[in-house]
Amino acid sequence: GQNIDQPTEMTATEGAIVQINCTYQTSGFNGLFWYQQHAGEAPTFLSYNVLDGLEEKGRFSSFLSRSKGYSYLLLKELQMKDSASYLCAVMDSNYQLIWGAGTKLIIKP
Amino acid sequence: GAVVSQHPSRVICKSGTSVKIECRSLDFQATTMFWYRQFPKQSLMLMATSNEGSKATYEQGVEKDKFLINHASLTLSTLTVTSAHPEDSSFYICSARDPGGSDTGELFFGEGSRLTVL
Repeated sequence: GQNIDQPTEMTATEGAIVQINCTYQTSGFNGLFWYQQHAGEAPTFLSYNVLDGLEEKGRFSSFLSRSKGYSYLLLKELQMKDSASYLCAVMDSNYQLIWGAGTKLIIKP
Repeated sequence: GAVVSQHPSRVICKSGTSVKIECRSLDFQATTMFWYRQFPKQSLMLMATSNEGSKATYEQGVEKDKFLINHASLTLSTLTVTSAHPEDSSFYICSARDPGGSDTGELFFGEGSRLTVL
């Protein structure tokens, strides 16, 4: 079966760095997405990785290792507004998105 | 970036009534839109894929007679929850890809519609 695993909840301190991991097992691979979702709102796009390596975009970076079925989202210089759920999603061979359950990130002052 | 608009954002209805939710792509034409359902603290669950001019494709376990989807134009898809019951209370989200945009396959989401059935 297809499976996306990510931690349920993480806590970090304002100004610090946090890494949210995602492992996946899917039938085929056509890219991995990270979305941010604030409570009660729809998800917003953060990043897309289809090749191995690190993609940096401001305070957020995303890494992919296809051979390991592994990705992480790295958030630097954490701000209180970064408190949200972070969803990992993989596009399978049928171009369907398989969603992880999301990681709730709590930022403390 | 592409914009997808969803309406209404919140709706409260009585058990047994029907509720329609609209999803519009504002600056691009979407031949395909996706409808998701999300329960509190859970991930998105794909309900159905809405195809312009043809029948929607429903995921396993989703009642097509309960959740009616109409994709009458390239910019509008509607989800109608028929004879709603309290267990239908949820956050419904639509999304679409801009076929003329980047090739990352990025999905653009509507704002979501929170349905509460009393």
